[in-house]
Amino acid sequence: ELKVEQNPLFLSMQEGKNYTIYCNYSTTSDRLYWYRQDPGKSLESLFVLLSNGAVKQEGRLMASLDTKARLSTLHITAAVHDLSATYFCAPHLNTDKLIFGTGTRLQVFP
Amino acid sequence: SAVISQKPSRDICQRGTSLTIQCQVDSQVTMMFWYRQQPGQSLTLIATANQGSEATYESGFVIDKFPISRPNLTFSTLTVSNMSPEDSSIYLCSVDWPEAFFGQGTRLTVV
Repeated sequence: ELKVEQNPLFLSMQEGKNYTIYCNYSTTSDRLYWYRQDPGKSLESLFVLLSNGAVKQEGRLMASLDTKARLSTLHITAAVHDLSATYFCAPHLNTDKLIFGTGTRLQVFP
Repeated sequence: SAVISQKPSRDICQRGTSLTIQCQVDSQVTMMFWYRQQPGQSLTLIATANQGSEATYESGFVIDKFPISRPNLTFSTLTVSNMSPEDSSIYLCSVDWPEAFFGQGTRLTVV
């Protein structure tokens, strides 16, 4: 059975701190997406990682992909309140489907 | 990037009725996808819709409950039939080209 596990499920962190969200998946994938979702909103695409060793950075967020370990990470640097949201990883299967992780709800406080 | 327009954006419906959600894409795409997000949960794929063929449903979803149409390469509809409060969710359509983009979603509340 295909599984996509994120941890932690909930993350409360202080502004200025660093933290990493982990995404483990159980089957072969040709690319992996990270999305952000604000309450009551749709999904905002953050990153698409296309190959093993891929690393992408945008502002305070950096995502990486290790296809051999079937692991992706989303690293948060010097968190700010505006980053408070739920983050989802989603491996893309060769059947063109996306399978979503459980989500990580991030709350950044002063 | 693809622009996906979804409507309605939200609706409140009586149990036992049906609601049809529309999804319009600004470019031609082979496949469109419909997802459900139950309150506080992640997204679950309902079905994949190809133009000119019947939709392919994921385990746990059936055509009688979620009929899908795909009349052309830029449009699809999802109907939620005979609704119950358990159908209260956000429904999202998505495309896979050039990347996986999502519509704004339809927030459905069944009372």
